[in-house]
Amino acid sequence: QSALTQPASVSGSPGQSITISCTGTSSDVGGYNYVSWYQQHPGKAPKLMIYEVSNRPSGVSHRFSGSKSGNTASLTISGLQAEDEADYYCSSYTRRKTLVFGGGTKLTVL
Amino acid sequence: EVQLLESGGGLVQPGGSLRLSCAASGFTFSSYAMTWVRQAPGKGLEWVSTLNNDGGSTYYADSVKGRFTISRDNSKNTLYLQMNSLRADDTALYYCAKAGGGWSYSDYWGQGTLVTVSS
Repeated sequence: QSALTQPASVSGSPGQSITISCTGTSSDVGGYNYVSWYQQHPGKAPKLMIYEVSNRPSGVSHRFSGSKSGNTASLTISGLQAEDEADYYCSSYTRRKTLVFGGGTKLTVL
Repeated sequence: EVQLLESGGGLVQPGGSLRLSCAASGFTFSSYAMTWVRQAPGKGLEWVSTLNNDGGSTYYADSVKGRFTISRDNSKNTLYLQMNSLRADDTALYYCAKAGGGWSYSDYWGQGTLVTVSS
């Protein structure tokens, strides 16, 4: 199972909005509304930010939102803050009844 | 408060075995699927395996199928990962995670236990 494709890095200034893409195939991202997004700060465990494409867990800021179009899912962070600087990973359920992660995107807040 | 505490990691030689444990608390363990995810040093996340709530259905990544076995003891609120025929590329921090409503996502994660495969 090939990893989902994410940009290696994105950056933005405080207050701006950024979007991280996650591209798969019709066998994973495009075939199911089971895309999730995780935030990971250095040396810390991942934290769930978005599940089932666009749902936000309790306690996650409204500045984080998710969407999907075809085989590509997206995570948008609005009103960037310094604390958002982290690695972000997407994940999808697949037709083979497995899960697959993206390669990860390093977000830098300038 | 949900807590997941992994243990059992360590240094093992190639071809060796190791069993990881994950002690869960703060939720009804028997009601949720559980997942192992690993992260090699400096690399991204890799899904390893998921087990449904009653232990009746198991799912594995191709990279570990036939070598790793996931199991659980709902009476002890504990998840396990038996790892056999270990290889150097199994070296990673292994996270235990609680599945959400389905099992396509994990809403709580432990801090991980480090497995190093080296001679």
